[in-house]
Amino acid sequence: SQQGEEDPQALSIQEGENATMNCSYKTSINNLQWYRQNSGRGLVHLILIRSNEREKHSGRLRVTLDTSKKSSSLLITASRAADTASYFCATDYSNFGNEKLTFGTGTRLTIIP
Amino acid sequence: GAGVSQSPRYKVAKRGQDVALRCDPISGHVSLFWYQQALGQGPEFLTYFQNEAQLDKSGLPSDRFFAERPEGSVSTLKIQRTQQEDSAVYLCASSLGGLLTTATNTGELFFGEGSRLTVL
Repeated sequence: SQQGEEDPQALSIQEGENATMNCSYKTSINNLQWYRQNSGRGLVHLILIRSNEREKHSGRLRVTLDTSKKSSSLLITASRAADTASYFCATDYSNFGNEKLTFGTGTRLTIIP
Repeated sequence: GAGVSQSPRYKVAKRGQDVALRCDPISGHVSLFWYQQALGQGPEFLTYFQNEAQLDKSGLPSDRFFAERPEGSVSTLKIQRTQQEDSAVYLCASSLGGLLTTATNTGELFFGEGSRLTVL
């Protein structure tokens, strides 16, 4: 079963606008990662934020983490048509020797040229 | 190789047939994961290897599913007596040192393109 949920499930915006996706999870985590998946392709890692971090930037990406609310957000600024993809958050609940990255349900982002 | 390679990319099987899906991880990567992704859903964890040891197989949906990584590199996911509900994309991912972030390990997973299984 999926441990995280992304919100919204689908998002369509005009090129150049900012896109914000949210992720909620259920239990304490070690870190949270965001991945991107183009249609029919594998997942590509975007960014990782540790449980003791609150915000992280990478290029046009900004990720926040609120462990008290068990939620994270991914902001893509100045969106481009090539950003059209599905975006997944993934949470790491690993214990020693028991590694598991659990993915959410995903947000399907469409950038309208 | 340069990335994680999976084969076949597409497999059509008749219900009841056995299938084998192969994953070649990035050379030197210790950790290997298998996920199942149904259409329109997120990947669901199946199993995890650290080198040749299968440390977690809690996500395998039934005893018809079996995974191995005998020499700690290539892995095979085998599905026996396939059923229609097994139709999905099977994703393999590898990691240099697992999910724990250290000075030398980023904790990210590198995914293959997946094997799309259709059971008729």
